[in-house]
Amino acid sequence: GAGVSQTPSNKVTEKGKYVELRCDPISGHTALYWYRQSLGQGPEFLIYFQGTGAADDSGLPNDRFFAVRPEGSVSTLKIQRTERGDSAVYLCASSLKAGPYNEQFFGPGTRLTVL
Amino acid sequence: QKEVEQNSGPLSVPEGAIASLNCTYSDRGSQSFFWYRQYSGKSPELIMFIYSNGDKEDGRFTAQLNKASQYVSLLIRDSQPSDSATYLCAVNKGAQKLVFGQGTRLTINP
Repeated sequence: GAGVSQTPSNKVTEKGKYVELRCDPISGHTALYWYRQSLGQGPEFLIYFQGTGAADDSGLPNDRFFAVRPEGSVSTLKIQRTERGDSAVYLCASSLKAGPYNEQFFGPGTRLTVL
Repeated sequence: QKEVEQNSGPLSVPEGAIASLNCTYSDRGSQSFFWYRQYSGKSPELIMFIYSNGDKEDGRFTAQLNKASQYVSLLIRDSQPSDSATYLCAVNKGAQKLVFGQGTRLTINP
C-alpha cells in the first residue's frame, strides 16, 4: 500500500507569513507524529496524535506552532508568523498504533524555507 | 550530555568489509531501539529495530543491544556502495516519541 505522503514537498515563504503543511499517514495507522530536521541533525519530535487528539505536544517550540488531526487521519501542521529559524525539513511519521514497540514510518518531508 | 549520541563521522569503509556503527543513550528506561538509513535529500527509512539484549540479524544487517552498557550498534556485512548514507539511531522516550542521534555518515569506497 501507499506510504506516508506529505504536501507540499517544498515551501518557500517570507518571514511573518502563515504556512500549513499536510500529512496523510499510512492507511490504518492510528498514531501520527511530526518531527523537524535541521541540516546535519537527527529529527526532533514536535507532536504526536493518537486518533484525533494531540496526546503529546511537548516538542512544539512555541505557540506559533499548532497541529490538528480532525478526523483521525490527515494532519496539518500550522505555523504562524514564520521566522527564519523555522526553516527546516518537517517530517511526518505514522505507526500502526502507539507504544514503544511500534515502528514509525516516515514520509518524504516538506522542506520549509523562510526568507 | 545528549540523550542519544552517535559519532558523526564520516566513517569510511572499503567495499565488502564490515561497517560498524555505534550509539549510546542516557535513559535507562528506554525499551526500543531503531536504526534508520537516510540518503542525502531523502527521509529516514527504517532498517532495523531491536527490543531485547543481544543480537538481531536481518540479511546483511545485525543490530546489537546491551542495556547494561546503554549501547546499541549496527553492523553491515559485505558493505556495498549503495550502503553509503547517514545512519540514524533512535530510542523511544515514553510511549510515543523517538529521540534521535545526530547520525553517522557512512561512505563505502569501491
